[in-house]
Amino acid sequence: DTGVSQDPRHKITKRGQNVTFRCDPISEHNRLYWYRQTLGQGPEFLTYFQNEAQLEKSRLLSDRFSAERPKGSFSTLEIQRTEQGDSAMYLCASSAIRTATEAFFGQGTRLTVV
Amino acid sequence: ELKVEQNPLFLSMQEGKNYTIYCNYSTTSDRLYWYRQDPGKSLESLFVLLSNGAVKQEGRLMASLDTKARLSTLHITAAVHDLSATYFCAVDFGNEKLTFGTGTRLTIIP
Repeated sequence: DTGVSQDPRHKITKRGQNVTFRCDPISEHNRLYWYRQTLGQGPEFLTYFQNEAQLEKSRLLSDRFSAERPKGSFSTLEIQRTEQGDSAMYLCASSAIRTATEAFFGQGTRLTVV
Repeated sequence: ELKVEQNPLFLSMQEGKNYTIYCNYSTTSDRLYWYRQDPGKSLESLFVLLSNGAVKQEGRLMASLDTKARLSTLHITAAVHDLSATYFCAVDFGNEKLTFGTGTRLTIIP
C-alpha cells in the first residue's frame, strides 16, 4: 500500500476554466476527506465521504465545486469556472471508520488560477 | 464556534534549546492530532492523542493532552535543524472532521 495518492500534483489554469482532481485513498479506508489549504493557513474541511455516500459539505464548497466517489473507491473534486480565489492546495485524506478522524493525507494538488 | 488556536505562530530558536508550542481549543474534545508540514508538501502525522493525560514521545518531540484545560502542548527538546517545519494541531470536535489550528512555523537556527 502506497498511501493516499493525488493527481495531478500541480495544476495551472486560466480563470474560467474547469479543473478536476483525483484522489485514491488507502485501499481499506472507508472514509475520504477533501480539505483546502491557502498560503499561511491551516487546512479547512470541504467535504467527506463514507464509502460512496457524501455525508457533509462545508459552506466553503460553493455551487462551482462538486465531489464524487463512485463505487466508494477513488474520488474526484471538480471546480467549474475557476476564480483566482480558488488558488490553493487541495488535500485529500482517508481513514478507516473505526479510527474515524485519524486521517492520512495525500501529497496534495496545488492549484494556481491565473 | 469551534476554534483551534496555536501559539506562537512563528518561532525561531537556536539549535540545542528547548521550547513548547501550545494548542488551545474552544470546546470539549478528547481527540487531538499533531501534524508536521514541510514547505510545499503535505501533512505528516506526528501524534494521535485520544484521552486526557495522554503523552506521546518520538525522538525530540513530545506531545501531551489536557482535556480539562482544552490544551495540548508539543515540546521540543534540544532542537536540531531537521525539525524546521510548520506544525499543526487538529481537533476532532465529534463532528466527523478535523478543525486545524493556524500552524506554528518553526525555524531552527544553527
